[in-house]
Amino acid sequence: GDSVTQMEGPVTLSEEAFLTINCTYTATGYPSLFWYVQYPGEGLQLLLKATKADDKGSNKGFEATYRKETTSFHLEKGSVQVSDSAVYFCALSDPGGSEKLVFGKGTKLTVNP
Amino acid sequence: DTAVSQTPKYLVTQMGNDKSIKCEQNLGHDTMYWYKQDSKKFLKIMFSYNNKELIINETVPNRFSPKSPDKAHLNLHINSLELGDSAVYFCASSSDRGRALMNTEAFFGQGTRLTVV
Repeated sequence: GDSVTQMEGPVTLSEEAFLTINCTYTATGYPSLFWYVQYPGEGLQLLLKATKADDKGSNKGFEATYRKETTSFHLEKGSVQVSDSAVYFCALSDPGGSEKLVFGKGTKLTVNP
Repeated sequence: DTAVSQTPKYLVTQMGNDKSIKCEQNLGHDTMYWYKQDSKKFLKIMFSYNNKELIINETVPNRFSPKSPDKAHLNLHINSLELGDSAVYFCASSSDRGRALMNTEAFFGQGTRLTVV
């Protein structure tokens, strides 16, 4: 079945450091890809998405590019802030249209001042 | 106004009890979901409803019974609670069935942390 693999955390960075969180997927069709973020004590929020190959999603300084050839959707940010501390989830939507998200296991990011 | 709201936020109960978690969305969405997040933060879908009709049931024990009185509400009732049911349960909604998650996003509630003792 469909699956998402993302790098295990936790990840600890200093403010203004460069961030990469790796995400690869397995799917039988052509899924849409998402990054969701969960701030402490809150629910998940959509951070960015890409619906087809070579699309780049971006939001709040974060970017991820849908790479079909490597089945990847790595999350990057050039300069992280303390307020970026959260758990980040990579996810895909079932290309069969069964209305569900398949999530990776989440990567906890802590940014220190 | 909170878009997707769940109650209670925290629930501590003994094994064997029956409990319910309520979810309401004021976004006018047709599709609602329940997800379970385990202690390792792993998120997995449990149920999906569209216009009060069950769409997805992901091999969840039948002690778990979702109920959708209308399309704005999806409640989760759990019978005979077990220790392994301890988790955070998230309700979510999205707007467009069939292509719901291809081009739109799911909106999540803040979660209900269930602890079974």
